[in-house]
Amino acid sequence: LAKTTQPISMDSYEGQEVNITCSHNNIATNDYITWYQQFPSQGPRFIIQGYKTKVTNEVASLFIPADRKSSTLSLPRVSLSDTAVYYCLVGWGGADGLTFGKGTHLIIQP
Amino acid sequence: DSGVTQTPKHLITATGQRVTLRCSPRSGDLSVYWYQQSLDQGLQFLIQYYNGEERAKGNILERFSAQQFPDLHSELNLSSLELGDSALYFCASSAWDQKDTQYFGPGTRLTVL
Repeated sequence: LAKTTQPISMDSYEGQEVNITCSHNNIATNDYITWYQQFPSQGPRFIIQGYKTKVTNEVASLFIPADRKSSTLSLPRVSLSDTAVYYCLVGWGGADGLTFGKGTHLIIQP
Repeated sequence: DSGVTQTPKHLITATGQRVTLRCSPRSGDLSVYWYQQSLDQGLQFLIQYYNGEERAKGNILERFSAQQFPDLHSELNLSSLELGDSALYFCASSAWDQKDTQYFGPGTRLTVL
């Protein structure tokens, strides 16, 4: 199971673009990169998933370089409601299931 | 709304008791997962079921058990409860071939007094 490293916390302001980078040096060939968002006392919510290059949906973009050893979640024009914990996950851990780690606490200020 | 439902939303009980948490997966999803989230441990994977069969087991205590029924709903049974079992318990579901894309329910907050 690939270990991931991401910032413990970040802050930004409303209207800004926020980029959260995750490192996953030992990612396996078959692993996809998945990001989840979690608000306090709520279940994590799937945001985006990718394998390589760039993926974009209505919520975010995911940039993955050619070596796939890192990935960047990009949130355009954030608002106060984007304040949450963001988790980067790589692959399925088999008996370990999904390993969420500590995530990145993103705080958006007015 | 993820499409995953969990009941009850809140549960308060005493040490030594037994409780059952219930989960209904999204329509069409055959895989169900259970997670425990406490303040000091983060989100911990407990167990996975696929179409009624156990498929993966994580950090689940022997006092805890789960099952998935023919209608695909799942139950997590917690017995001999201890203060440290107080946590949020989440259920998630996915398609079999997309285990890393899971849809989480709203959770059950268990408080053991």
